[in-house]
Amino acid sequence: QVQLQESGPRLVKPSETLSLTCTVSGGSITNYYWNWIRQTPGKGLEWIGYIYYSGSTNYNPSLKSRVTISVDTSKNQFSLKLSSVTAADTAVYYCARASCCGGRMGFDYWGQGTLVTVSS
Amino acid sequence: DVVMTQSPLSLPVTLGQPASISCRSNQSLVYSDGNTYLNWFQQRPGQSPRRLIYKVSNRDSGVPDRFSGSGSGTDFTLKISRVEAEDVGVYYCMQGTHSLTFGGGTKVEIK
Repeated sequence: QVQLQESGPRLVKPSETLSLTCTVSGGSITNYYWNWIRQTPGKGLEWIGYIYYSGSTNYNPSLKSRVTISVDTSKNQFSLKLSSVTAADTAVYYCARASCCGGRMGFDYWGQGTLVTVSS
Repeated sequence: DVVMTQSPLSLPVTLGQPASISCRSNQSLVYSDGNTYLNWFQQRPGQSPRRLIYKVSNRDSGVPDRFSGSGSGTDFTLKISRVEAEDVGVYYCMQGTHSLTFGGGTKVEIK
């Protein structure tokens, strides 16, 4: 059974960079699209972006200038960096797998989510 | 941006009765390959979202057949034929045709 687990700092200071890693177990990272999605009470679910196992990426246009997603196939991990964070970036961050088409058909496996708070 | 509008926001349902959730987009969700990328997710309290339906009407493995999806173009519906206690949660539609965006969610609760 494929499992995804987010890890990283739970508290980030304003203007700094949020960094999270998702570790994939129970399956290979190859041939899939690996996504980051966040959830806030105010804006609901928001897709952040994906990386294909080969390294190609696609980001939400509204976040593109601040987002970098990378992959390490040797460790079965992929990572998110979100720069210049503000309180509006406080959210539960999920990593998720898409089997097809960059996520057009949604996501078949999700991590449990991790709450990241932006505060000084 | 494609905006996904769900209604109602809250849906109290009696156990064993049907439920219906509407999802509308402000643009057609027919993609250039002919497919319509409209998906439905369920989020039970305290859990991560779970995909129920992809491409309008295709149920995921393990999803009970009381869940069904329908619609076309800009107008879509998720139906639960007979609501069970385990169906309590928030349901989201998500479009994958024009980038990826989610609806605001519909909270299903038992009366």
